[in-house]
Amino acid sequence: GENVEQHPSTLSVQEGDSAVIKCTYSDSASNYFPWYKQELGKRPQLIIDIRSNVGEKKDQRIAVTLNKTAKHFSLHITETQPEDSAVYFCAASSSGSARQLTFGSGTQLTVLP
Amino acid sequence: NAGVTQTPKFQVLKTGQSMTLQCAQDMNHEYMSWYRQDPGMGLRLIHYSVGAGITDQGEVPNGYNVSRSTTEDFPLRLLSAAPSQTSVYFCASRPRGKPNNEQFFGPGTRLTVL
Repeated sequence: GENVEQHPSTLSVQEGDSAVIKCTYSDSASNYFPWYKQELGKRPQLIIDIRSNVGEKKDQRIAVTLNKTAKHFSLHITETQPEDSAVYFCAASSSGSARQLTFGSGTQLTVLP
Repeated sequence: NAGVTQTPKFQVLKTGQSMTLQCAQDMNHEYMSWYRQDPGMGLRLIHYSVGAGITDQGEVPNGYNVSRSTTEDFPLRLLSAAPSQTSVYFCASRPRGKPNNEQFFGPGTRLTVL
């Protein structure tokens, strides 16, 4: 089955700096890669996703890049703000019968004021 | 729409007790899943369903049962609770087809097994 590894597990940045979180996946059939943000005590919420036919996607201060050859994808947050502090999860799924998501272990991002 | 709802929000069990975590969605999503979240281990899939009457095991199914008699409901049953099942449990749903594959999560149930 799919295996998703996520790094780093913790990340601290100064407000206004950029943050990058990286994930690798094992199943070359995976074709959908969402990123979720989870604030303390809350449910995970989708912030951006990308499909395998696209190399990069942006949404305001957030971008995701995908390298299918190397089987890795990254989340980029620019001009970080204190409200960006949260746990971020990457995930991957294939187009198989169930298309279940396999999640990375999460990154605790702290934006220091 | 209420989205994905879960009950209860908190539960304390004694070892050996059984209980059912409830999950419901009103978005007519075909796919529903149960995850457990433990510190440093992300979200691990317990069981999932691709439609009413169809369920399958995920990564960590032992000690849990599920059923899907309707599109809306997907309860998770703990057969004989163990301290290792102390965790936060999230139910999720998503539509089958493109273009929107977004998976929506419920608010979670925090379970403690003593």
